[in-house]
Amino acid sequence: DTGVSQNPRHKITKRGQNVTFRCDPISEHNRLYWYRQTLGQGPEFLTYFQNEAQLEKSRLLSDRFSAERPKGSFSTLEIQRTEQGDSAMYLCASSSGQSADTQYFGPGTRLTVL
Amino acid sequence: EDQVTQSPEALRLQEGESSSLNCSYTVSGLRGLFWYRQDPGKGPEFLFTLYSAGEEKEKERLKATLTKKESFLHITAPKPEDSATYLCAVGYSSASKIIFGSGTRLSIRP
Repeated sequence: DTGVSQNPRHKITKRGQNVTFRCDPISEHNRLYWYRQTLGQGPEFLTYFQNEAQLEKSRLLSDRFSAERPKGSFSTLEIQRTEQGDSAMYLCASSSGQSADTQYFGPGTRLTVL
Repeated sequence: EDQVTQSPEALRLQEGESSSLNCSYTVSGLRGLFWYRQDPGKGPEFLFTLYSAGEEKEKERLKATLTKKESFLHITAPKPEDSATYLCAVGYSSASKIIFGSGTRLSIRP
């Protein structure tokens, strides 16, 4: 299967700890997106990369959140000093330059902050 | 304010009972409207992209249509395996992000 993969699938952490998630996009896709989804809601946009450049970032994104895509391939999303309100599903999606509108999503990382 | 509203929030149908899901939107500079299916605990699965009013797309028992203010996802003779949350999203002409609605939870009883 050559779809979008995310690791870990589940993460339980204590409030105040830092966590990092990884996303591996479809290999030929140069665009990568991060979303957050809470129960009963649709995904909420967090940030977007084209190759290694971070081109868009949600104004709702706290300074505790940072994302990188160092070589234009995989990406990491780090949350520092986690809070209970950070508990959510974190989704990654990718798309190609030729079909940029079709975003393919990974299975997500479910974060629980105790 | 740009927003996407889906209705109903939940819909229960008998197997074979056709119906429609609604997605209304207000966004400046629509780039495209997208439909996704999401099963519990999984990421959204892409279904359709619609770009202009009057456009229609079909896939198996699903057909999506678009007007200037809303989109419909018609489901014909649904089966239990069609049970899922259906998400609508819109893209801006000026940005790469897309905005999702809250979804419609569809349940098909055998």
